[in-house]
Amino acid sequence: DAMVIQNPRYQVTQFGKPVTLSCSQTLNHNVMYWYQQKSSQAPKLLFHYYDKDFNNEADTPDNFQSRRPNTSFCFLDIRSPGLGDAAMYLCATSRGTAGYEQYFGPGTRLTVT
Amino acid sequence: AQSVTQPDIHITVSEGASLELRCNYSYGATPYLFWYVQSPGQGLQLLLKYFSGDTLVQGIKGFEAEFKRSQSSFNLRKPSVHWSDAAEYFCAVGTFTGNQFYFGTGTSLTVIP
Repeated sequence: DAMVIQNPRYQVTQFGKPVTLSCSQTLNHNVMYWYQQKSSQAPKLLFHYYDKDFNNEADTPDNFQSRRPNTSFCFLDIRSPGLGDAAMYLCATSRGTAGYEQYFGPGTRLTVT
Repeated sequence: AQSVTQPDIHITVSEGASLELRCNYSYGATPYLFWYVQSPGQGLQLLLKYFSGDTLVQGIKGFEAEFKRSQSSFNLRKPSVHWSDAAEYFCAVGTFTGNQFYFGTGTSLTVIP
């Protein structure tokens, strides 16, 4: 089945230690998104790629970076995680951005110790 | 500015009872409308979507939603709730202009026996 895969499902990192979260998709969608979701809150968009074009949300901290080496993979890098970065990180894909539905992965739960 | 409002933070219903979750949006034109469901610790799953045409939309798991332009609403309904429907429900709006996608703050559904 075509899907969005996130690895790992659970990640524990230390305060200030860089961490990378991975997302892959078999849907061949043009757009890949990264969301941060804290407990009992809506997902908050961090950035998205339309093909190779990177689009950063204005309020996304510089601590968060992303890479998309090819159509299938997208990575979220947190350069110096703080305690406030502990959250669920959701990857999503869509065929386009103009109102196209998004398909979500299961998420990676990040804990910062 | 565009926005999505889910007025009910938390709803409790008895199993077998009917359900209606409210969603209101603010946007100058007709947006693309979505309802997603999120089970604890999981990603978001699309229940249904509205782009145009018939304003009553059928989705998966027995859910339906009705678009009412005059009320700027897109309420989600289910005639008989099952215990497995307990989850977080998010309304979302996609706009053609500006390629934006907004989530509401979510409604947490508890189902009691």
